[in-house]
Amino acid sequence: DTGVSQDPRHKITKRGQNVTFRCDPISEHNRLYWYRQTLGQGPEFLTYFQNEAQLEKSRLLSDRFSAERPKGSFSTLEIQRTEQGDSAMYLCASSKGQGHQPQHFGDGTRLSIL
Amino acid sequence: QKEVEQNSGPLSVPEGAIASLNCTYSDRGSQSFFWYRQYSGKSPELIMSIYSNGDKEDGRFTAQLNKASQYVSLLIRDSQPSDSATYLCAVNINAGKSTFGDGTTLTVKP
Repeated sequence: DTGVSQDPRHKITKRGQNVTFRCDPISEHNRLYWYRQTLGQGPEFLTYFQNEAQLEKSRLLSDRFSAERPKGSFSTLEIQRTEQGDSAMYLCASSKGQGHQPQHFGDGTRLSIL
Repeated sequence: QKEVEQNSGPLSVPEGAIASLNCTYSDRGSQSFFWYRQYSGKSPELIMSIYSNGDKEDGRFTAQLNKASQYVSLLIRDSQPSDSATYLCAVNINAGKSTFGDGTTLTVKP
């Protein structure tokens, strides 16, 4: 099966602009996760979906961040009014919905804020 | 205290040696444990999952879990230069999100 696909791979934008990233999970996976990773750190959980339902969102996540998975397939992550501190790799992962299944990651979207 | 802790390294071993990577976690309710390998500039790649106490072997990799000590480790036998990467430990309390350590950087010297 094809892996998790993320688009774009790289995004450079000016501070204050809005950005949107897309993630297409592995086709039979009904769970989808978003993480953020900065240099020297492990991935930090942002939010996750089971089908179209957003089941958990990090309390550390600013209101400028929003994620959707409208039809339970692909997902989008939007960051409004970007700030310098938003520069990071944004990782999407997916897993099967039964029990404690391992997560499989996409190649990520690297965001750079000028 | 971080929820998942790993030695940051770097850990350096000669080719052919055994590399031992360690991870401790704080939540006794944790139920599933994963090791990921991450090459520089790439995304994490799953290499092992373990759910019950004891050892689990897959090729040159062995994961060890001790829930009483809240400790999980990864052994890499016959280390190869291609094993040089950052190894991330991930812990799940429930069936949702994973909590990651900051990784241990391994260098295998030819």
